[in-house]
Amino acid sequence: GQNIDQPTEMTATEGAIVQINCTYQTSGFNGLFWYQQHAGEAPTFLSYNVLDGLEEKGRFSSFLSRSKGYSYLLLKELQMKDSASYLCAVKDSNYQLIWGAGTKLIIKP
Amino acid sequence: NAGVTQTPKFRVLKTGQSMTLLCAQDMNHEYMYWYRQDPGMGLRLIHYSVGEGTTAKGEVPDGYNVSRLKKQNFLLGLESAAPSQTSVYFCASTEGGAHTGELFFGEGSRLTVL
Repeated sequence: GQNIDQPTEMTATEGAIVQINCTYQTSGFNGLFWYQQHAGEAPTFLSYNVLDGLEEKGRFSSFLSRSKGYSYLLLKELQMKDSASYLCAVKDSNYQLIWGAGTKLIIKP
Repeated sequence: NAGVTQTPKFRVLKTGQSMTLLCAQDMNHEYMYWYRQDPGMGLRLIHYSVGEGTTAKGEVPDGYNVSRLKKQNFLLGLESAAPSQTSVYFCASTEGGAHTGELFFGEGSRLTVL
């Protein structure tokens, strides 16, 4: 079966750095997405990786290793507004998105 | 810029009742999707459409029907609601499902079936 694993919950301090990991086992691979979802709101797109390596976008970076079935989302200079759930999703060989359950990130002052 | 709009935002149904959720997008996207989101689980695809007049089953289609009569609208119907269908429903759209495919989501519809 297809599977996406992420930690259920993480806690970090305002101003610090946090890394959210995602491992996947899917039938084929056509890209990996990270979405942010604040409580009670819709998911919003953060990043897309299809090749190995690091993609940087402001305070957020996303890394992919296809050989290891592994990605991480790195958030720097954490702000209180970064408190949210972070969803990892992989596009499989049929171009269907397989979603992880999400990681709830709690930021403390 | 409306983006993706879902109606209604909240609804309470009794077991056996029927209802329709409406999704409308103003971005001229070809692909549209209906997901459900339950605690502790990833988003699960119910049905999707790759263009006007087309629909296809997703991961959890049982108990739901859909229609895409107009490109901008994607309707999700529950013919006979069950408590197991209590969930938050999200509609999403994208330009092309096979490519980068950034999804644009509606605000969600919270459905409770008693």
